[in-house]
Amino acid sequence: AQTVTQSQPEMSVQEAETVTLSCTYDTSESNYYLFWYKQPPSRQMILVIRQEAYKQQNATENRFSVNFQKAAKSFSLKISDSQLGDTAMYFCAFMKHVPGYALNFGKGTSLLVTP
Amino acid sequence: DAGITQSPRHKVTETGTPVTLRCHQTENHRYMYWYRQDPGHGLRLIHYSYGVKDTDKGEVSDGYSVSRSKTEDFLLTLESATSSQTSVYFCAISDTDKSPYEQYFGPGTRLTVT
Repeated sequence: AQTVTQSQPEMSVQEAETVTLSCTYDTSESNYYLFWYKQPPSRQMILVIRQEAYKQQNATENRFSVNFQKAAKSFSLKISDSQLGDTAMYFCAFMKHVPGYALNFGKGTSLLVTP
Repeated sequence: DAGITQSPRHKVTETGTPVTLRCHQTENHRYMYWYRQDPGHGLRLIHYSYGVKDTDKGEVSDGYSVSRSKTEDFLLTLESATSSQTSVYFCAISDTDKSPYEQYFGPGTRLTVT
C-alpha cells in the first residue's frame, strides 16, 4: 500500500504571507496522481489542486501551487497571500489507477491563518 | 458543487445495532466510495463501487458491507455497530471518463456508537 506522510501536524501563518505544507509519499508505481484537499471547520472536503505524475510542470491554481519532485517523492503545497479563509486542515492524497482510483490520504496538516 | 447527499447527517446508536448510511448522487458518476475519518488517521477507504452491483473492499472494510443497486445510491451497512466504528463517514464520487481522477465528497455523516 502507498504511504503518504505529512510531517507537519500544525502550522501557523500571518495573513498575506506565504506558507508551504510538506508531503512525501512512497510508491513503486510510475503512473499516479497527487492531490491536496482542504477541510475547513464545516467538515466539507474541497479539492484544492491536483498533479499528474507524468507531467513535469508544477500545477497552479490561483494562490495555490505545488512543488512536485518525482524522484524525491515529494509534493508540497504553497499558499501565497494567505487569507483568513485558508484556515483549515489540509490533506495530501495519492491515487493510482488500480484499485478503483481510490485515494490514500496523509494524516493532515492543520493550518491557522492569523490576522 | 457536485450533487452528493448523505443521510443521516448525524446518528447516535447503541453497540450491537445495525446501521445503514446512504449516499445519493445526481451526477450519474460511475465510481462511488466510502471513507471514514478519525483523528490522527486522515481518511481511510472502507469500500468502493465501480458500477451497479460492482463493489470491492478497501483498507478498513472489516465490519462493513455495501450495496449498490442503482447508479445513484451507495449504501454502507454496519451489521452490528461497535464503539470502534464511531467516526465521521464520507461518501465520494468520481467519473473518470469526464473529470479524470477527481473525487468529490459529500458533507459527511457523524456516527456515534455508545
